[in-house]
Amino acid sequence: NAGVTQTPKFRVLKTGQSMTLLCAQDMNHEYMYWYRQDPGMGLRLIHYSVGEGTTAKGEVPDGYNVSRLKKQNFLLGLESAAPSQTSVYFCASRGRLMNTEAFFGQGTRLTVV
Amino acid sequence: GEDVEQSLFLSVREGDSSVINCTYTDSSSTYLYWYKQEPGAGLQLLTYIFSNMDMKQDQRLTVLLNKKDKHLSLRIADTQTGDSAIYFCAESMGSQGNLIFGKGTKLSVKP
Repeated sequence: NAGVTQTPKFRVLKTGQSMTLLCAQDMNHEYMYWYRQDPGMGLRLIHYSVGEGTTAKGEVPDGYNVSRLKKQNFLLGLESAAPSQTSVYFCASRGRLMNTEAFFGQGTRLTVV
Repeated sequence: GEDVEQSLFLSVREGDSSVINCTYTDSSSTYLYWYKQEPGAGLQLLTYIFSNMDMKQDQRLTVLLNKKDKHLSLRIADTQTGDSAIYFCAESMGSQGNLIFGKGTKLSVKP
């Protein structure tokens, strides 16, 4: 049971380049999330999804887009990367019930130069 | 917006108890959580407490909830060097139960 898998684990982008981060979960979870973690800022919610085909904005959505075409996958896109998007990105998933555990991926370390 | 507040650092000696404190703002939060993050890793759920409970104990971990003051604490008894990590407090928000995290408390355990 792989849980939540993020790819890639590391990436360096030049300003203006685009990329897509992939999150895959094999637990049949309805809810999926993308967070970014910055020093001294904790985790901030970028976008989330409550089911296949649905997405919603979180606390810091600007500069990112997401898609949930399949229940098991949640993609995070950067159309034109900026240095301010240098961060560690975490994907998480959980079931529908409020007391269920959210499972996190291992993170993607993105550097934009 | 809603905010979850934690102190950023805590240093204790091995064998002592650690107490990590957290304040939250949404009185309607149903569940409150403690997550642990080890270096270079994702977050792992340590424990959670339902909002109608005052205390929950799980082996070396004790969670206390003061709903009136919106204060949550995590006590780790007999702290070990392996407990060194960042500990995040989180509350669930809204009908979807999105997790809102504090900035994390870095626990350092000295031998």
